[in-house]
Amino acid sequence: GNSVTQMEGPVTLSEEAFLTINCTYTATGYPSLFWYVQYPGEGLQLLLKATKADDKGSNKGFEATYRKETTSFHLEKGSVQVSDSAVYFCALSDRSGYSTLTFGKGTMLLVSP
Amino acid sequence: DVKVTQSSRYLVKRTGEKVFLECVQDMDHENMFWYRQDPGLGLRLIYFSYDVKMKEKGDIPEGYSVSREKKERFSLILESASTNQTSMYLCASSLSSGGSNEKLFFGSGTQLSVL
Repeated sequence: GNSVTQMEGPVTLSEEAFLTINCTYTATGYPSLFWYVQYPGEGLQLLLKATKADDKGSNKGFEATYRKETTSFHLEKGSVQVSDSAVYFCALSDRSGYSTLTFGKGTMLLVSP
Repeated sequence: DVKVTQSSRYLVKRTGEKVFLECVQDMDHENMFWYRQDPGLGLRLIYFSYDVKMKEKGDIPEGYSVSREKKERFSLILESASTNQTSMYLCASSLSSGGSNEKLFFGSGTQLSVL
């Protein structure tokens, strides 16, 4: 079956540091890949996505590239802010059936001033 | 923007009670989902629905049922609540299945405590 593995958190960074959150996946076929973010007290919201190999999703300074050869979709940001503190979820959709999403366990990011 | 509204932010129930969690979306979305979120386990899919009166089991349907009588409303039912159902419950909706329409819109969640 499908699965998503994320690095465990919390990831603790100082403001303006470089961020990488690793995500690898197992899936049959060619899934779409997503990063969702959950700010404190809120539901998840889509941060970015990529639908095919070598696509790069980007939003709000975050980027992730769909790497089919390494089955990875690592999230990066060049300079984090305190307001980026949140839980980040990697997810995939296998495009078969009803396209339900499979989520990773989430990685908490804490950014200090 | 799409709004997904969950009826309660916090809920406290007793073991054995029947519990209803309500979710309403206002953008005519076809698909609706119920997830539970637990520390260290992430999000796990309980049930989903792709049309009125239709439902499909997710990964952890045991102890739960759902109802979708109207397109905009998707209810999660705990027939007899147990302490291991204490969790954050998240409702989500999406426009339609397949293609590029896998963007889920989430509600803010209901934190259910079963005592």
